[in-house]
Amino acid sequence: EPEVTQTPSHQVTQMGQEVILRCVPISNHLYFYWYRQILGQKVEFLVSFYNNEISEKSEIFDDQFSVERPDGSNFTLKIRSTKLEDSAMYFCAHKGPGGRETQYFGPGTRLLVL
Amino acid sequence: ELKVEQNPLFLSMQEGKNYTIYCNYSTTSDRLYWYRQDPGKSLESLFVLLSNGAVKQEGRLMASLDTKARLSTLHITAAVHDLSATYFCAVDIGDNDMRFGAGTRLTVKP
Repeated sequence: EPEVTQTPSHQVTQMGQEVILRCVPISNHLYFYWYRQILGQKVEFLVSFYNNEISEKSEIFDDQFSVERPDGSNFTLKIRSTKLEDSAMYFCAHKGPGGRETQYFGPGTRLLVL
Repeated sequence: ELKVEQNPLFLSMQEGKNYTIYCNYSTTSDRLYWYRQDPGKSLESLFVLLSNGAVKQEGRLMASLDTKARLSTLHITAAVHDLSATYFCAVDIGDNDMRFGAGTRLTVKP
């Protein structure tokens, strides 16, 4: 199974601070996703990204969130002004160009907002 | 609004027993995925079901898909402790996107 990596593995931040979560893509994968999982709860879709554009976003993904591939490699999720309720595990996922594959998930970044 | 409903949400079973987890969904879809998540870990892909009637088996787990009934099942045969985890189904909603069920937390007791 292709390996997806994420950095940092853990981040603690103060409310109102900006955080950037990073995901290192698999070279031939075209579709990228961010999901959030609050402790012990379901996996919630945030945003999907294809061809350097957002293709779908959920109602959770408000103006505080943004995604980009700044250097054509890493895929980032930025939270501009964190809130307490942003504390969660954030997973990036990739999918290959085949269209019939599953999504492969990274190990996640555990974000704690104090 | 799309609904992906799993049941049960919590399942405690004895080793050696059989059980089935159900995943119902409300949209038209012919693809469904099952994932496993261990506590504090990421999601591991278990099965990819790509058509009506698809059946996949891996060890003590077997997954099936009935797109007409909008139902997928994950059957556990002769459970062992190592199967203790949370199992998620995810429905393909098109445009290479999918949505998750709430998960079934399985505990297998010796």
